Amino acid sequence: AQSVTQPDARVTVSEGASLQLRCKYSYSATPYLFWYVQYPRQGLQLLLKYYSGDPVVQGVNSFEAEFSKSNSSFHLQKASVHWSDSAVYFCALSIGTNTGKLTFGDGTVLTVKP
Amino acid sequence: EAAVTQSPRNKVAVTGGKVTLSCNQTNNHNNMYWYRQDTGHGLRLIHYSYGAGSTEKGDIPDGYKASRPSQENFSLILELATPSQTSVYFCASGATGHTGQLYFGEGSKLTVL
Repeated sequence: AQSVTQPDARVTVSEGASLQLRCKYSYSATPYLFWYVQYPRQGLQLLLKYYSGDPVVQGVNSFEAEFSKSNSSFHLQKASVHWSDSAVYFCALSIGTNTGKLTFGDGTVLTVKP
Repeated sequence: EAAVTQSPRNKVAVTGGKVTLSCNQTNNHNNMYWYRQDTGHGLRLIHYSYGAGSTEKGDIPDGYKASRPSQENFSLILELATPSQTSVYFCASGATGHTGQLYFGEGSKLTVL
């Protein structure tokens, strides 16, 4: 069975600093990979997705992620964070096409200090 | 304006009672999903639907039923609620062919006493 691991439950960074949130997956083939963000008292919103091709994908709000097949990873990055980026970030995968059946990691709580 | 709306947003139920969570989407998406989110954990799929009249079991369907009477509406039904079903429930919609791209509602917090 497939799984997603986000090894950092909480990350705190200062405003303006760079950010990396880690995501590791387990699946026998290359899955479709996603990062979602959840702001307080809201539903999840899609940040970016990876289907195939260029391992670096761009998302909304200057986020990007890099897929590594050799490391089974899909880390999320941002060059300079803003206080408004404080939220919970979820990595997720899908093993099938044309589906919203996602397997989620447990999430990383990001706090950006002013 | 919100394209996926859930009701109720908050619900307190008693053990053994019946609970219905409702979801309406204006995205005209074929696919709809019910997930639950427990504190400190990711979302887990309960039921999903690929169109009106169809429902499928997700990863954790036990204790839940689903109903999709129309393209817009998708309900989650707990016939006999238990305290272990205390959670936040999210409904989502997705377009055919757009793998993994879901639009979520704001969630329904259910407490079963």
